[in-house]
Amino acid sequence: DTAVSQTPKYLVTQMGNDKSIKCEQNLGHDTMYWYKQDSKKFLKIMFSYNNKELIINETVPNRFSPKSPDKAHLNLHINSLELGDSAVYFCASSQETGLRQEQYFGPGTRLTVT
Amino acid sequence: AQSVAQPEDQVNVAEGNPLTVKCTYSVSGNPYLFWYVQYPNRGLQFLLKYITGDNLVKGSYGFEAEFNKSQTSFHLKKPSALVSDSALYFCAVRDPYGNNRLAFGKGNQVVVIP
Repeated sequence: DTAVSQTPKYLVTQMGNDKSIKCEQNLGHDTMYWYKQDSKKFLKIMFSYNNKELIINETVPNRFSPKSPDKAHLNLHINSLELGDSAVYFCASSQETGLRQEQYFGPGTRLTVT
Repeated sequence: AQSVAQPEDQVNVAEGNPLTVKCTYSVSGNPYLFWYVQYPNRGLQFLLKYITGDNLVKGSYGFEAEFNKSQTSFHLKKPSALVSDSALYFCAVRDPYGNNRLAFGKGNQVVVIP
């Protein structure tokens, strides 16, 4: 059973387009995240939702808009894609109560903007 | 704000030798500390964590780490490295009194030489 899944795995698109990445977790966690990993493998938090409420919103262009329809899903919509948006985007989830606070990551979505 | 330093870019070790990946952290208050591993074209996998309790924590695949509060370190160790341990290793820290933001280090590439 896949714990954290993302679709699509690969996304190739042209500048100016709008695209979405979907994430689902079946772990029953209450918190979900989006991370961006650049070409140097540096990981940066973008957003975090706890029980569908936005709690972390880093300095991310407002072309990026997360949406959490329920606790198990966190989608990322990107408008007017730019070359610099090319990266691997990871979704993660965790349970923020108790001592089990490690985050579980999805397989990643490799976004290439041409 | 919390931060993590992983001073080495790459760690080379011969198969069968001990493996150490260094991590130091900065956080106000008592830290939550984590190690993750990333294999090529995969998401991050949780290895181990320190939240409270014994300073020596054991995790997956024979890895362990020691929390040292006076040196603000959380080095990852494995007594006998395997070629299959070759991967990118990330240390991460969270301030339990802040929001659930996890700060990652830049990652260390581990190369185990047969």
